[in-house]
Amino acid sequence: EVQLVESGGRVVRPRESLRLSCVVSGFTFDDYGMTWVRQAPGKGLEWVSSVNWNGESRGYADAAKGRFTISRDNARNSLYLKMDNLRVEDTAFYYCARAGGTGWRERWFDAWGQGTLVTVSS
Amino acid sequence: QSVLTQPPSVSAAPGQRVTIFCSGSSSNLGNNYVSWYQHLPGAAPQLLIYDNDKRPSGIPDRFSGSKSGTSATLGITGLQTGDEADYYCGTWDSSLSAAVFGGGTKLTVL
Repeated sequence: EVQLVESGGRVVRPRESLRLSCVVSGFTFDDYGMTWVRQAPGKGLEWVSSVNWNGESRGYADAAKGRFTISRDNARNSLYLKMDNLRVEDTAFYYCARAGGTGWRERWFDAWGQGTLVTVSS
Repeated sequence: QSVLTQPPSVSAAPGQRVTIFCSGSSSNLGNNYVSWYQHLPGAAPQLLIYDNDKRPSGIPDRFSGSKSGTSATLGITGLQTGDEADYYCGTWDSSLSAAVFGGGTKLTVL
C-alpha cells in the first residue's frame, strides 16, 4: 500500500523557520518526482514546490522562491521542505504528493499524504 | 485568484449526473493535459482523472474527463452522497513554469 506521511507542522511566529518531512512507503521512492502542495484555510490547492527523482532539479512557486527549499533523501524514502522567513500567509495544510513521472515538471499527482498544519501567528 | 477557473459550487440529486467545468488559457490547458482531484474534508486529495480522460486504477467509471482547447470538464454520473467533496482541476502552466490548480468546486448532493 502506497503511503505518504507528513510531519513537522506546528505553530510558529513570523520570520521563524520550519522543516517539514514526508516519509513514504509502498513504492520505489526514487522512481518518482515529488511535490509539496498547500491549502490555506478556506482556500483551494496551491502548488508550492517540486523535485525530480534524484533531487538535482527543482521548481518553486513565486510565493516560495527564495524562502523555501525542497530536498529529498532517497536512502531514507523522505521528502523535505525547509521554510525560512515564514509569513502569516504561509499558514496552511501542507501536503506531499507523488508526481506522475520522474521529473519535477509533472502535470499530475497520484498519491497524497494527509497533510501537516503550519500556523504562522504572532 | 486561481490560474484555472472553476465554478465555486454545483449541486444535483442522488443518482443524477453533474458536470464541473475548468477554464484556462493557451499557456496551461491549451497546451497541456488536465487532471482532476477529489478532496473530501479531512482526507488526502485523490487523483480522479489524469491526461484529460484517463482514470487511475480503482476510480469507478462514473467519473469521466474531457478537454477541448482551453477548457476541461469532469463528469460524474450516478451521484452518491459520498461524492460530496471539493473537486479541483490541475495542469502545468508553461509560462509560469508551475503546476496550477483551479479554485475548486464544492459538490453538494441534495
